[in-house]
Amino acid sequence: DIQLTQSPSFLSASVGDRVTITCRASQGIRNYLAWYQQNPGKAPKLLIYAASTLQSGVPSRFSGSGSGTEFTLTISSLQPEDFATYFCQQFTSIPLTFGGGTKVEIK
Amino acid sequence: EVQLVQSGAEVKKPGESLKISCKGSGYTFTTYWIGWVRQMPGKGLEWVGTIYPGDSDTRYSPSFQGQVTISADKSISTAYLQWSSLKASDTALYYCARRGTTMELFEYWGQGTLVTVSS
Repeated sequence: DIQLTQSPSFLSASVGDRVTITCRASQGIRNYLAWYQQNPGKAPKLLIYAASTLQSGVPSRFSGSGSGTEFTLTISSLQPEDFATYFCQQFTSIPLTFGGGTKVEIK
Repeated sequence: EVQLVQSGAEVKKPGESLKISCKGSGYTFTTYWIGWVRQMPGKGLEWVGTIYPGDSDTRYSPSFQGQVTISADKSISTAYLQWSSLKASDTALYYCARRGTTMELFEYWGQGTLVTVSS
């Protein structure tokens, strides 16, 4: 199975901050990576797929980059609705796997 | 509008059976894979398995193979996740989600079904 390690697992930030979350894969996954946002009590929401393609309707302050084994999700200017937990997911091989999550909280 | 509506919360005892459902609407149900994802209390996401309702082709995570059964009834646009003998460790929130057209990621999600197994 491909393991995905997210860092940090928790971060505290303020509105307007630039935030970067990293996802590292245990082996190369090309660009077969997605990012999701999960607000408390809600289902996950797809933000980015193929490592860097923004899902329709997702604000442009979100961006993704990377290929192979290292990927990043960046929020250019954190907004109040962005305080949530973020997960990466690889879809290059079965079983599909997710990262452990990064919880973004208000400082 | 694509919607996935899941059945309500369940409270069961260890050893009991259970079948939860996920009804799709707003798209052609038979032409998109539907997946199930587990989220244990306060934890991350785990892929359980995926089914193609058009022909019931099903794939399971090795971690869940033999522990659950995924099925679909295309006549009523509904996918199912079932257990024959629940354990306390099956306590979790279970989401169904519609897979992307060509990629094994999840574009649309149900609201989740909370399954609680307790004696």
